Amino acid sequence: DAGVTQSPTHLIKTRGQQVTLRCSPISGHKSVSWYQQVLGQGPQFIFQYYEKEERGRGNFPDRFSARQFPNYSSELNVNALLLGDSALYLCASSLWDRDHEQFFGPGTRLTVL
Amino acid sequence: DAKTTQPPSMDCAEGRAANLPCNHSTISGNEYVYWYRQIHSQGPQYIIHGLKNNETNEMASLIITEDRKSSTLILPHATLRDTAVYYCIVRVARETSGSRLTFGEGTQLTVNP
Repeated sequence: DAGVTQSPTHLIKTRGQQVTLRCSPISGHKSVSWYQQVLGQGPQFIFQYYEKEERGRGNFPDRFSARQFPNYSSELNVNALLLGDSALYLCASSLWDRDHEQFFGPGTRLTVL
Repeated sequence: DAKTTQPPSMDCAEGRAANLPCNHSTISGNEYVYWYRQIHSQGPQYIIHGLKNNETNEMASLIITEDRKSSTLILPHATLRDTAVYYCIVRVARETSGSRLTFGEGTQLTVNP
C-alpha cells in the first residue's frame, strides 16, 4: 500500500505570493493533519481535518487555511507569504479510532525568497 | 498537554541498547506517553505509546515509572539506521483535543559503528 503522499516535493515562492500544498492520505484514513517544521525545530501542528470538517487548529495566523475533499485528500493554502513561512510542511493521516499512530508523508519543502 | 524534557543529544554504539529518557513530571492521569522519531529528511514515524504499563513492540520498549513522571524508550540493539531525532510527546486522548501532536525539540540519537 502507498503511504502518505505530498506534492510538490519542493517549492520556491517570493514574499506576498500564495501557495497550495497537497496531501493524499493512506487509503482508508479519514483524518488528515498538517504540521509546519522550521529548520532545527520539531513539527508544529497547524490543522486537523476529519470527514471534511476542521477538528483542530494550531496557533497560526488566518493566512493559513486548509480543506479536505470527499476522497479525504487535503490542501493547505498559505496566503501573503512571509520569509518566516519557509519550512517543511508535513501531512499526516490516521484512522480516527487509532490516532495514536499517525503516518507522516515526506513533506513539502517551501522556500520563500 | 504536559510539557516534556529530553536531553538534546545522545550517542550509542551499534549493537548496544539505546536508552532515551524523557521527563514529564506534570503529566495528568489521562495523558498518554508517545514516542516518534524522525530520520533526516523524512517525516516523523510512530514508535510506541503507553499510559502506565510498560509496552513492547517490534521496534522498541517503553518503560514508564510508577509515578508516571518519567519514561525511557529502549532500542534493544541499535543500528546505524536508528540514527534520528526522537520525540517524547504527552497528550490526552483524542476525544478531548483531537489528534494534534505537540513536538518538542527531541533527542538527536547518533548510533556509531
